[in-house]
Amino acid sequence: GQQLNQSPQSMFIQEGEDVSMNCTSSSIFNTWLWYKQEPGEGPVLLIALYKAGELTSNGRLTAQFGITRKDSFLNISASIPSDVGIYFCAGRNAGNMLTFGGGTRLMVKP
Amino acid sequence: NAGVTQTPKFRVLKTGQSMTLLCAQDMNHEYMYWYRQDPGMGLRLIHYSVGEGTTAKGEVPDGYNVSRLKKQNFLLGLESAAPSQTSVYFCASSQWTGGETQYFGPGTRLLVL
Repeated sequence: GQQLNQSPQSMFIQEGEDVSMNCTSSSIFNTWLWYKQEPGEGPVLLIALYKAGELTSNGRLTAQFGITRKDSFLNISASIPSDVGIYFCAGRNAGNMLTFGGGTRLMVKP
Repeated sequence: NAGVTQTPKFRVLKTGQSMTLLCAQDMNHEYMYWYRQDPGMGLRLIHYSVGEGTTAKGEVPDGYNVSRLKKQNFLLGLESAAPSQTSVYFCASSQWTGGETQYFGPGTRLLVL
């Protein structure tokens, strides 16, 4: 099946620092989605990207749909303790099913 | 409006036992999905349904069966549980698959001994 490589697998940063994570694929996707999962909960959608080159922000979060349609990036600016969680990328292909990355575990030190 | 709910929250099974996980949504969504989440592997689609009375296989369907007898419910069954099915199971629903977001339930943690 399709593979999404998400990196880094984990990050331990100081409060106030900026965070960057990315997903790459060997296949083209029509849509890129970024989710956040907190302990004991299901993933919650943060940002959806629908066009190659698109740059979209949601508060301190900014995500980009790569020009090649094979990658996407998520940046979090000025991290705070409540940013802690696992961030997942997901790509949607022409078959309309989602393929998820392995997740980036973010830990923020106050 | 509860969104997507799952029961049970946690279950321990012995190898060979059977069980059914229940997912319910109150958003009148057409599409429902079952995923499993394993460390470092993200979520993988087990089965999905595009409407009442329909089901289809996802990426990892072996060892699982599903039923969608009512639009609001999507059941995931394990006929003979195996340790490899130890995982966290998430149900999700969406109005359609062409771009609409999927709403996830809180998950069911299953341990098979």
